[in-house]
Amino acid sequence: GNSVTQMEGPVTLSEEAFLTINCTYTATGYPSLFWYVQYPGEGLQLLLKATKADDKGSNKGFEATYRKETTSFHLEKGSVQVSDSAVYFCALSDQTGANNLFFGTGTRLTVIP
Amino acid sequence: DGGITQSPKYLFRKEGQNVTLSCEQNLNHDAMYWYRQDPGQGLRLIYYSQIVNDFQKGDIAEGYSVSREKKESFPLTVTSAQKNPTAFYLCATRALAGDQETQYFGPGTRLLVL
Repeated sequence: GNSVTQMEGPVTLSEEAFLTINCTYTATGYPSLFWYVQYPGEGLQLLLKATKADDKGSNKGFEATYRKETTSFHLEKGSVQVSDSAVYFCALSDQTGANNLFFGTGTRLTVIP
Repeated sequence: DGGITQSPKYLFRKEGQNVTLSCEQNLNHDAMYWYRQDPGQGLRLIYYSQIVNDFQKGDIAEGYSVSREKKESFPLTVTSAQKNPTAFYLCATRALAGDQETQYFGPGTRLLVL
């Protein structure tokens, strides 16, 4: 079956620190992988995605590389800002016609000045 | 102004009452989804619909009902059979042409039980 395992939070970093949030997955076939971000009281926003092995998704200084050999899609950012404080969700899209998303439990990031 | 609107932002339900959450989109997306989010948990799929007048149960459909009479609208009813309805409810949409895998989310409705 399909599942996503995310690094448990919360994660607290100082401004300008390096961020890694680990994500591994189990899937049949070759899913597409996503990172979504949720700011307090809001819906989810797509942060980045990758659709095949070795693809790198990037947006707003965040990056993640689709690693088929380790079934991973870790999120990284070289220098975090206070405005990056949010909950981050890793997800995969199954390859059926429904293209349903399977989410990890989310990782809360707090960046302190 | 394109996007997904959910209303109301907050909704209160009394015991034994049915309530309906609205989701409207003008993205011309064919597929629509309802998710439930509980604190510290990921999103769980309640129902989804890929075309008008057709919908399928997700992982936690018990106590919920939906309709899809128009492409733009996918209302969710939380019935009195749902014993623990307090949660954040998120609606999402997806195109069936072009980028067929990305789901786009509305701002959510928080449901509280009085």
